[in-house]
Amino acid sequence: EIVLTQSPATLSLSPGERATLSCGASQSLSISYLAWYQQKPGLAPRLLIYDASSRAAGIPDRFSGSGSGTDFTLTISRLEPEDFAVYYCQQYVSSVTFGGGTKVE
Amino acid sequence: VQLVESGGGLVHPGGSLRLSCSGSGFSFSSYTLQWVRQAPGKGLEYVSALSGNGGTTYYADSVKGRFTISRDDSGNTLYLQMRSLRAEDTDIYYCVKSAWGVGWFDYWGQGTLVTVSS
Repeated sequence: EIVLTQSPATLSLSPGERATLSCGASQSLSISYLAWYQQKPGLAPRLLIYDASSRAAGIPDRFSGSGSGTDFTLTISRLEPEDFAVYYCQQYVSSVTFGGGTKVE
Repeated sequence: VQLVESGGGLVHPGGSLRLSCSGSGFSFSSYTLQWVRQAPGKGLEYVSALSGNGGTTYYADSVKGRFTISRDDSGNTLYLQMRSLRAEDTDIYYCVKSAWGVGWFDYWGQGTLVTVSS
């Protein structure tokens, strides 16, 4: 099983700042089959990024994904008030596993 | 695209429950559908999946032998039959659609809460 480790667990920032979230895989993802989701309290997760760097439909361009192999990053260029949430990474190279999440507060 | 779960509730340990997920707005039979669960305030766990042709299933080790996934494509409904329920099965269960195969998850239902408690 591919284990995904997200860091940091909590990121304390202010609106307008840049957020950098990391997701590390226990094995190299030979194909960059990695997605990022945003979850707000009481709601289901929402797809942000797929295939490591492709933005999902309707996602603002302040969200960007990068990385390959074992190291992946989600960047939010300038935090808006609505961006404060929990973010999860997911790999779908070998079955499906999720990271433990990063809370942006 | 809409996915609407139902069937959650309170059940005693050792009991059974069947979750349903009604899908609309897409070609239901063509897509792999899955169940993902989340304990309140905790992370996401991939529970079970069923391919569009119904030929391929996946179960997490934690539910293997106790849960059964099925689908009725004529009624656009996905099911999760849960038996021998344990306290640790207490979670919000989301019905999720894959964009392709077992790829990224492009649509999620609102979730249904299952509580296993005496």
